[in-house]
Amino acid sequence: GAGVSQSPRYKVTKRGQDVTLRCDPISSHATLYWYQQALGQGPEFLTYFNYEAQPDKSGLPSDRFSAERPEGSISTLTIQRTEQRDSAMYRCASSLQGPGTGELFFGEGSRLTVL
Amino acid sequence: LAKTTQPISMDSYEGQEVNITCSHNNIATNDYITWYQQFPSQGPRFIIQGYKTKVTNEVASLFIPADRKSSTLSLPRVSLSDTAVYYCLVALGGKLIFGQGTELSVKP
Repeated sequence: GAGVSQSPRYKVTKRGQDVTLRCDPISSHATLYWYQQALGQGPEFLTYFNYEAQPDKSGLPSDRFSAERPEGSISTLTIQRTEQRDSAMYRCASSLQGPGTGELFFGEGSRLTVL
Repeated sequence: LAKTTQPISMDSYEGQEVNITCSHNNIATNDYITWYQQFPSQGPRFIIQGYKTKVTNEVASLFIPADRKSSTLSLPRVSLSDTAVYYCLVALGGKLIFGQGTELSVKP
């Protein structure tokens, strides 16, 4: 696509529910990143993919968080048994070049609110 | 893991040159240095990237000394629309780590 697309833009859920966020990167971009950004803070690294491989998921806060990119394009971030502290903006970014180089293109983000 | 340190905030006036310095003492040999700009309610936007010496593009310059333990983003003749948060980050392998960022406020 023309840019990185994320859905839903806004999600309100109750504590304990599972949530899945979707990221559709720019076509042919090899690298895809997920970040969590709290209000007034910088983006916190969660995980990244190089095509369908997930070389680093060290930033995922707990085992309630998981991400996948099965065909090397669209990615999903799933949060199980959501907690209020999971409320944040979740940002996806993709890059044409390999990990660590080149420009990251960010989507508009998915704002999650856990009640 | 390379960490970055930059000033929390800076003030400037329209038309001035702004220099924001970032420290990354533990930068690895293969790490690039990248700067992003973020406006409220938007995702970060790439400004410039470099490995060493000086890089210039249409919006900014990036100065990196020989030891690469710091870098300076230079914004020439800022305007009110440059008010934003600026992030310095380095890459360790595939992991791109954002710091707290520098909140730049440009006044008339």
